[in-house]
Formats: sequence, structure tokens, C-alpha cells
Amino acid sequence: QQQVKQSPQSLIVQKGGISIINCAYENTAFDYFPWYQQFPGKGPALLIAIRPDVSEKKEGRFTISFNKSAKQFSLHIMDSQPGDSATYFCAASIGSQGNLIFGKGTKLSVKP
Amino acid sequence: GEEVAQTPKHLVRGEGQKAKLYCAPIKGHSYVFWYQQVLKNEFKFLISFQNENVFDETGMPKERFSAKCLPNSPCSLEIQATKLEDSAVYFCASSQYRNPGNTIYFGEGSWLTVV
Repeated sequence: QQQVKQSPQSLIVQKGGISIINCAYENTAFDYFPWYQQFPGKGPALLIAIRPDVSEKKEGRFTISFNKSAKQFSLHIMDSQPGDSATYFCAASIGSQGNLIFGKGTKLSVKP
Repeated sequence: GEEVAQTPKHLVRGEGQKAKLYCAPIKGHSYVFWYQQVLKNEFKFLISFQNENVFDETGMPKERFSAKCLPNSPCSLEIQATKLEDSAVYFCASSQYRNPGNTIYFGEGSWLTVV
């Protein structure tokens, strides 16, 4: 049973466009929802994160939208740049446990 | 240190051989996590530690996998009698606390190839 479902698997966006990646979760005990960015050959790095008591969080060009009733959250990358080309993972965790449950990742390619 | 340091970066083992990976968490971080990332990018949680104590080992294949975090030593993940299916990148991560919102920092991974 996959606890965090992520879509799409891959995404191609033109430079300057908006990239949108969606995730859905099942476990209502999750209380922390981070997004990680991973470049080839590197470890995942935290991009932005949200708690379920907030519906939206924005940091620069990156925004998380969170819908608690629908158990869904999404990452929006505004003004996408070729340097944003990477694999993005949504994740969820329960504070009492600490470990992250990852989605399967979205490979983003931003074309110049 | 200011980053999670993993060694070795690459390791090749023949099927049936032992593999041992090491991880130095960020200084001051009490929690260490091990994850396995297979070719399809999927992350599988293996085990976590709070200081030298196992906190959560629900993801560990206990028959061949073991892990330790001893005081004043790097943490380690050991695979006895490796199998082809163990080929993956193994990531170590650390965090200062366990409560929600506390950032988990990842190392660059150790790439294990079993031939």
C-alpha cells in the first residue's frame, strides 16, 4: 500500500512556465509534508515544507498548496528555469516516528 | 561537521560478499536515518537511530542487514551475503530533533553494485 502517491512521473516545461507536481496521502496522522529536490548523483535536499494547519506556503518561486480535506498537496514552481531540472519528491512524516515516507518522484525537465 | 558524510561513494561486491557503509551525521544531530534508493528512484526507509539506540527498524530486512550507531564512531550499515537485488544507493540522513517540521538532511549516498 503506497502511502504517498505522486504524479506525474515526468514533466517537461518550457523556460518561464509553471511546473506543477501533485501528491496525495492516505494517513491522516501525517503532520509534516516536505518537498525534496534531487540532482543526479546527489542526495535529496529539502526545498520547502508545510504543516497541515496551513493551506499555502511560498518561498521565492516555490509554493506548496495544501488541501487537508482532500488529503492532497502540490508543488508549484513559477518561472521555471533550466537549473530547476531535477527529480522532485514529495514526502510525509509523523512527528512521533520521524522517518519520511516518499512519493515515487517526478523528473522535471525545463527546456530553454 | 556541517554535512552528512557518507563513505564509500561507490562499492562493488560479488554476490555473497559483505558490504559495509559508513555515515557521519551532522554534529549535534541526535537522529540518524538510513534509506535505500533503488533504480526506479523509490526510497525505502530502513532504520533510524536516536543517538546510539535503534528508534525504528521496521524497514530493515533483518536476515542480512544490520546497523549500528556507536558513540564517537561513524554509524554503519552492514549487509551480509549481498544479493543482486541489494544493488542501490544507500542514503544516510540526520536531524536534530524528531518533532514535525524538523529538517532531515541527507548525505550524497553510497552506491552499492552487487555483481
